[in-house]
Amino acid sequence: GAVVSQHPSWVICKSGTSVKIECRSLDFQATTMFWYRQFPKQSLMLMATSNEGSKATYEQGVEKDKFLINHASLTLSTLTVTSAHPEDSSFYICSARDRVLSTDTQYFGPGTRLTVL
Amino acid sequence: QKEVEQDPGPLSVPEGAIVSLNCTYSNSAFQYFMWYRQYSRKGPELLMYTYSSGNKEDGRFTAQVDKSSKYISLFIRDSQPSDSATYLCATGTASKLTFGTGTRLQVTL
Repeated sequence: GAVVSQHPSWVICKSGTSVKIECRSLDFQATTMFWYRQFPKQSLMLMATSNEGSKATYEQGVEKDKFLINHASLTLSTLTVTSAHPEDSSFYICSARDRVLSTDTQYFGPGTRLTVL
Repeated sequence: QKEVEQDPGPLSVPEGAIVSLNCTYSNSAFQYFMWYRQYSRKGPELLMYTYSSGNKEDGRFTAQVDKSSKYISLFIRDSQPSDSATYLCATGTASKLTFGTGTRLQVTL
């Protein structure tokens, strides 16, 4: 149980284009999903917390107009990187918290590697 | 000072060895303690979680938390080559987890 999927697993795009990453909880409902970014050999940095049906809460320093987050259902959250630039190249990972279990354990997706040329 | 400090390693041990991985944290309000394993280019996988001081055992893995000294540990017994990965400690509150930088572990034959 507690499987989280992400799509795509990797994407290469040109500078200035937008990229959408999907995060799905496959076998549980997630009222809260989290989006992280991880640079090589560094830890996970929380970008935003997404609650189903409400606006995402962004961490300090994360541009909400650049990283658009939508959490339209209990099993799906999307992150759209708008007007991507090479410095946005990173490993983006989502996680989800199980609504039924009501624990604070986060289950992670496999990550999406974004490369902006 | 970082909220969570973790030695990045790399740590290399022979197969069968006992591995000790450690983190310290600074915020006494942190209530949740977790260890994740991350293979290269993959998302983190939850290994252990606990909410109190003391030990929690699961198979070859033991998580230890000492809230008084703000110290958390993960012990791996009878380490296997398949345990080679980066191990991330995480701690925080109900609304946010803070991760260590991860310790890269290599178990050699």
